[in-house]
Amino acid sequence: EVQLVQSGAEMRKPGESLKISCKGSGFTFASYWIAWVRQMPGKGLEWMGIIYPVDSDTRYNPSFQGQVTISVDRSISTAYLQWSSLKASDTATYYCARPSHSTGPFDYWGQGTLVAVSS
Amino acid sequence: SSEVTQGPAVSVELGQTVTITCQGDSLRTHLASWYQQRPGQAPTLVIYGKNNRPSGIPDRFSGSTSGTTASLTIIGAQAEDEADYYCASRDSSVNHLHVLFGGGTKVTVL
Repeated sequence: EVQLVQSGAEMRKPGESLKISCKGSGFTFASYWIAWVRQMPGKGLEWMGIIYPVDSDTRYNPSFQGQVTISVDRSISTAYLQWSSLKASDTATYYCARPSHSTGPFDYWGQGTLVAVSS
Repeated sequence: SSEVTQGPAVSVELGQTVTITCQGDSLRTHLASWYQQRPGQAPTLVIYGKNNRPSGIPDRFSGSTSGTTASLTIIGAQAEDEADYYCASRDSSVNHLHVLFGGGTKVTVL
């Protein structure tokens, strides 16, 4: 069974750093791109970027370039999304998702990680 | 970059048919995919490609595209279809991997 299991909810203060994770199982992790999608409270979905585990080729939505870092550890089938200095506006639920192929639809999603940033 | 737009909300009587649409220039060259998101849950894929349903998605869901408009139709809407629905397309103006999501349409089943 294909699964993407994300790390748990996080609470941080503005300016703090954070790294959340997405662990894949039930499929050959290295063969699939993994994307990150943001959903701010009460809002829609926003594609943040995508990474290919084989070579860590990463593409960002220009709106998120420089704001976050997407990385991967192929040896443990895990993708990451990290911030070096959080802002209150980063408060959102973050989903990882697997496209069926590089430009395919997202056929599997993680359960989401809620990130709350408040002083 | 491009964008894809959806109407904010529609309602449908139980058992009736509802169509929601998604408009954008990218849809002229890239087929849409559609995602259902129930409250408090992660999105799930319901339609992709020309009109394909993943395993487990009821056949009351169907999709179509004409020009720059993609449509998702639910024939015989059920109470469990009440959810937010998002279309998605590719944005080649950025790069071929860039995904555009519509703003979502809230479907209420009366």
